[in-house]
Amino acid sequence: GDSVTQMEGPVTLSEEAFLTINCTYTATGYPSLFWYVQYPGEGLQLLLKATKADDKGSNKGFEATYRKETTSFHLEKGSVQVSDSAVYFCALSGFMNRDDKIIFGKGTRLHILP
Amino acid sequence: DAGVTQSPTHLIKTRGQQVTLRCSPKSGHDTVSWYQQALGQGPQFIFQYYEEEERQRGNFPDRFSGHQFPNYSSELNVNALLLGDSALYLCASSSGTGGFEQYFGPGTRLTVT
Repeated sequence: GDSVTQMEGPVTLSEEAFLTINCTYTATGYPSLFWYVQYPGEGLQLLLKATKADDKGSNKGFEATYRKETTSFHLEKGSVQVSDSAVYFCALSGFMNRDDKIIFGKGTRLHILP
Repeated sequence: DAGVTQSPTHLIKTRGQQVTLRCSPKSGHDTVSWYQQALGQGPQFIFQYYEEEERQRGNFPDRFSGHQFPNYSSELNVNALLLGDSALYLCASSSGTGGFEQYFGPGTRLTVT
């Protein structure tokens, strides 16, 4: 079945460091790919998405490119801030029809030190 | 425009009890999906409701059941609670006109003691 694998955390970085969180997927067909963020005590927020191969999703300085050849969707940010501390989830879904559910990775906790 | 809302925010129950969680979808959405997020894990799909019927279900026992009302709001019921049911329960709504993209509520934190 479809699945998402992302790097285990926690990831600890200093402010202004470069961030990469790796994500790979297994899927039949051509899913849409997502990164969600969960701040402490809160629900999930969609951070960015890409719906087809070679698309780049971007938001709030974060970027991820849909790489079909490597089945990857790595999250990057050039200069992280303390406020970026959260748990990040890579996910996929067909979203081609009403029945499509979201399949999530286990999440990567990110700590940014001032 | 109100987003997805869930109630209650937090809930504490005892093993063996039953619990009902509630979800109101985003305005204009007609489909509700429920997810369970155990501590330190990613959300897992429980089931989805559309037109007041369960349309598909994840790998959860029959103790988990749901309902959708004519106004598209939904309930998640869990019977015979186990300690392992302690989790954050997330509701997401979607619609065909929105390309079926799911929008999440803030969740209900259930603690079973």
